[in-house]
Amino acid sequence: NAGVTQTPKFRILKIGQSMTLQCTQDMNHNYMYWYRQDPGMGLKLIYYSVGAGITDKGEVPNGYNVSRSTTEDFPLRLELAAPSQTSVYFCASSYLTGELFFGEGSRLTVL
Amino acid sequence: DAKTTQPTSMDCAEGRAANLPCNHSTISGNEYVYWYRQIHSQGPQYIIHGLKNNETNEMASLIITEDRKSSTLILPHATLRDTAVYYCIVRSYNNNDMRFGAGTRLTVKP
Repeated sequence: NAGVTQTPKFRILKIGQSMTLQCTQDMNHNYMYWYRQDPGMGLKLIYYSVGAGITDKGEVPNGYNVSRSTTEDFPLRLELAAPSQTSVYFCASSYLTGELFFGEGSRLTVL
Repeated sequence: DAKTTQPTSMDCAEGRAANLPCNHSTISGNEYVYWYRQIHSQGPQYIIHGLKNNETNEMASLIITEDRKSSTLILPHATLRDTAVYYCIVRSYNNNDMRFGAGTRLTVKP
């Protein structure tokens, strides 16, 4: 089982560029999440989804967009990248019981 | 509006039990207590969760007080590989907004 797969693992963006972080899971989980983690800090919830076609904002959604067209995929879109979006991004999925399975993270630097 | 309070850091000697406390005095009747840990820069790893009974699995034990206002995660024989940040989270099954606080940085020393 691959679990939760995130791509890319590393990316450097210029200010104002856009990109999509990909996340896919093969566990048939309904719930998927995107978090960001700044250096030395805890995780902050960006967006989450309870199933295909349904998404909702978390604590820090500004500057990001998501979509959930399939159960497996939950891409995170960054529009007009800013230095404040330099962070490590984690995708996670879960079934109902709340045991989250995390990907390895995507490290994004905006210069 | 943090729902949990944890110490910022703790140390533990290798081979000894590590007891990590968490206060959640405003927990609701349908909210569970979850524990995760994050080793270095990896994605967080689920450890255990419980409602009101004590729980044990191959990784740890979870002790929840009778009034459910606090809990303790116990790693019975800590190893150097248990050095990590440990997060305590409370949420109900129908609350999909899973939020992590700052956690406790546990350092296991030889």
